[in-house]
Amino acid sequence: GQQLNQSPQSMFIQEGEDVSMNCTSSSIFNTWLWYKQDPGEGPVLLIALYKAGELTSNGRLTAQFGTTRKDSFLNISASIPSDVGIYFCAGFTNAGKSTFGDGTTLTVKP
Amino acid sequence: DTGVSQDPRHKITKRGQNVTFRCDPISEHNRLYWYRQTLGQGPEFLTYFQNEAQLEKSRLLSDRFSAERPKGSFSTLEIQRTEQGDSAMYLCASSSRSNEQFFGPGTRLTVL
Repeated sequence: GQQLNQSPQSMFIQEGEDVSMNCTSSSIFNTWLWYKQDPGEGPVLLIALYKAGELTSNGRLTAQFGTTRKDSFLNISASIPSDVGIYFCAGFTNAGKSTFGDGTTLTVKP
Repeated sequence: DTGVSQDPRHKITKRGQNVTFRCDPISEHNRLYWYRQTLGQGPEFLTYFQNEAQLEKSRLLSDRFSAERPKGSFSTLEIQRTEQGDSAMYLCASSSRSNEQFFGPGTRLTVL
């Protein structure tokens, strides 16, 4: 089946630093979504991407839909302590079938 | 609160027992999804409904698992004869016509 490789697996950064993470796949997706999950809670949708090459921002978050449609990137600028959590990418086919990455765990040191 | 809700939030059961979880989607969403998530992994797709029709089921959904959405609104996920390997977080999500899925808080199942 389809698999997503999400990297890095974890990040330890200082407050104020910028963060970058990405997902790659051998398969083409038509939609990329990025989620953040806190312990014991469901994932919360951050950004949705629908077109190859699309660059979308949500506050300090910026995500891009790769031009090959096989990858996506998420950047967080000027990180703050509440950015701590697990970030997931998810790729969707036209049939609505989803594949999630295994997450990037972000730790922000004050 | 008009988000996705799930009940119960936590369930502890003994091996061999049956359990049933409920999901109430966002009211105007016609698509409903069930996922399973284990520690250190992303959510794994289990099944998907559009209105009351179950359109897709993952191979992960063994014959001990069954899901229903009888009136196209809330959905239930039942696991029969639970096994320790069924211990996981069970997540429900809903969406409208786009792929933007909104998740509930999940039901944490522990099988002893």
